[in-house]
Amino acid sequence: GDSVTQMEGPVTLSEEAFLTINCTYTATGYPSLFWYVQYPGEGLQLLLKATKADDKGSNKGFEATYRKETTSFHLEKGSVQVSDSAVYFCALRTDSWGKFQFGAGTQVVVTP
Amino acid sequence: SAVISQKPSRDICQRGTSLTIQCQVDSQVTMMFWYRQQPGQSLTLIATANQGSEATYESGFVIDKFPISRPNLTFSTLTVSNMSPEDSSIYLCSVGQGSNTGELFFGEGSRLTVL
Repeated sequence: GDSVTQMEGPVTLSEEAFLTINCTYTATGYPSLFWYVQYPGEGLQLLLKATKADDKGSNKGFEATYRKETTSFHLEKGSVQVSDSAVYFCALRTDSWGKFQFGAGTQVVVTP
Repeated sequence: SAVISQKPSRDICQRGTSLTIQCQVDSQVTMMFWYRQQPGQSLTLIATANQGSEATYESGFVIDKFPISRPNLTFSTLTVSNMSPEDSSIYLCSVGQGSNTGELFFGEGSRLTVL
């Protein structure tokens, strides 16, 4: 079945450091891929998405490129801030009805 | 985008009781999804609620434990029945964007603690 694997956390970084969170997937067909972010005490918010191979999603300085050849969708940010501290979830949309498969989540802690 | 309101936002419940979570969407949607997020865990789909028909439950979830209502295109409820401490979780209501590549929108969740 479809699945998402992302790197385990917590990931602890200093402010202005470079962030990468790895995400790989297994799916039949060509799913849409997403990164969601969950700030402390809040619900999930969409961070970015990509709907086909080689698409790059970007938002708030974060980027991720849909790599079909490596079945990956790694999240990157060049210079993190304390406000980026959150849990990040990689996800894929598995069917036209809107069912999603989520990764385990990666907690990111950014220190001043 | 869709704005989703959930009630209650949090509650503390006694073992053996039941609690109903309400989800209101600001637009009409065909499918609504209920997820569970156990402490420190990812999201697990409980069921898909389609207006006018019975909910479709994922493996490991049953209607007797998690009955769902979907009376119209903007509202749904999830009941957690006969609760035990293992049911302590965040329960999230979500809806999908109309296109088949669109994202899910989430409510802020209902954090339940069962004592």
